[in-house]
Amino acid sequence: DGGITQSPKYLFRKEGQNVTLSCEQNLNHDAMYWYRQDPGQGLRLIYYSQIVNDFQKGDIAEGYSVSREKKESFPLTVTSAQKNPTAFYLCASRRVLAGFNEQFFGPGTRLTVL
Amino acid sequence: SQQGEEDPQALSIQEGENATMNCSYKTSINNLQWYRQNSGRGLVHLILIRSNEREKHSGRLRVTLDTSKKSSSLLITASRAADTASYFCATGTFSNSGYALNFGKGTSLLVTP
Repeated sequence: DGGITQSPKYLFRKEGQNVTLSCEQNLNHDAMYWYRQDPGQGLRLIYYSQIVNDFQKGDIAEGYSVSREKKESFPLTVTSAQKNPTAFYLCASRRVLAGFNEQFFGPGTRLTVL
Repeated sequence: SQQGEEDPQALSIQEGENATMNCSYKTSINNLQWYRQNSGRGLVHLILIRSNEREKHSGRLRVTLDTSKKSSSLLITASRAADTASYFCATGTFSNSGYALNFGKGTSLLVTP
């Protein structure tokens, strides 16, 4: 099956702990994205990466960190500096070629801070 | 920042009726896309319209774009209960940092049998 996988589906964290969300794609896409979604809200961009070993901050990068060591993987770490981390996190990827602008989304990880 | 704003926030219709959702945005765009999200799931791409296009069709979907008014509409014809979902518009822009989408807050559509 081709697609994007995110794990785990549900994640619980105690305050003060860092936690890493996994995102893997086998679509051979160059670009990958992380979004945060709060109840009744749209998606807000956290970080994105156009190529391996390069990434850019989105609108709400504070308290988050990412790495892009492999083309197929783009893990997101939610650090203890993120004051309100409880949310639904979505990963997406995109083929970087002229005319290919749609993003493909994973199923999401719901993070709850206890 | 969230650039797109969908209207209405919620829409309830019966099967067979048409559903129209609107999206307004603030800055210049390269393209505008519509996505669908079933509750608690990831988003699925529906349709993309480029800034130099005015109308596009895909099956029961019809999208219009008016760049002078910075607005778009999504029409779903002959709706079905399975169309129940949230619908988001997203504006695509290129910058020196690459390509990113800005999403609106979405329209929640309920289609009742």
